Amino acid sequence: EAGVAQSPRYKIIEKRQSVAFWCNPISGHATLYWYQQILGQGPKLLIQFQNNGVVDDSQLPKDRFSAERLKGVDSTLKIQPAKLEDSAVYLCASSPEGGDEKLFFGSGTQLSVL
Amino acid sequence: GESVGLHLPTLSVQEGDNSIINCAYSNSASDYFIWYKQESGKGPQFIIDIRSNMDKRQGQRVTVLLNKTVKHLSLQIAATQPGDSAVYFCRLSGGYQKVTFGTGTKLQVIP
Repeated sequence: EAGVAQSPRYKIIEKRQSVAFWCNPISGHATLYWYQQILGQGPKLLIQFQNNGVVDDSQLPKDRFSAERLKGVDSTLKIQPAKLEDSAVYLCASSPEGGDEKLFFGSGTQLSVL
Repeated sequence: GESVGLHLPTLSVQEGDNSIINCAYSNSASDYFIWYKQESGKGPQFIIDIRSNMDKRQGQRVTVLLNKTVKHLSLQIAATQPGDSAVYFCRLSGGYQKVTFGTGTKLQVIP
């Protein structure tokens, strides 16, 4: 079974630039999550989708972050404009149904904002 | 409110010894607990889970213990190997609280 795919693996940008991350979840998984993981910390949920609808985006900085999940499969997370404090690993995860079940994570995109 | 697992930042263990990683939580509504392992440069990987109607669950070389009275969760790794070196997170959910990851414990295995 193929895992959660993410790209790019690494990204370096300057502050105030824009960046986008892509995620392809495990086939058939209804729920998709984007997490932000700052160095030395646990993952922090940014947004959760159930199929193509948003379940929880309460911790997403909506003035600069946006995410979409077209057709309930792939998802993109965008940051515009980026700030220095956005430097982190952005992890995508998926699960079959959502709720409190176990998540399957991708390897993440490591973002450095200079 | 949110429940956050509290961890010692780093645990150093001799290869072959047993490891115990702890997670304390504050919200008594937590009823589902998962341990994840995150190796360098990778995403977290599921290890083992336990629900609040149990106090112990065993997997291959790993055991999770849940003490609901003192709101404490632990992960025991038997005969720790170099490949066990990673950061370990507990993830808590239940009731109306947000699902939350703890800060993590870094396990270093000394050859």
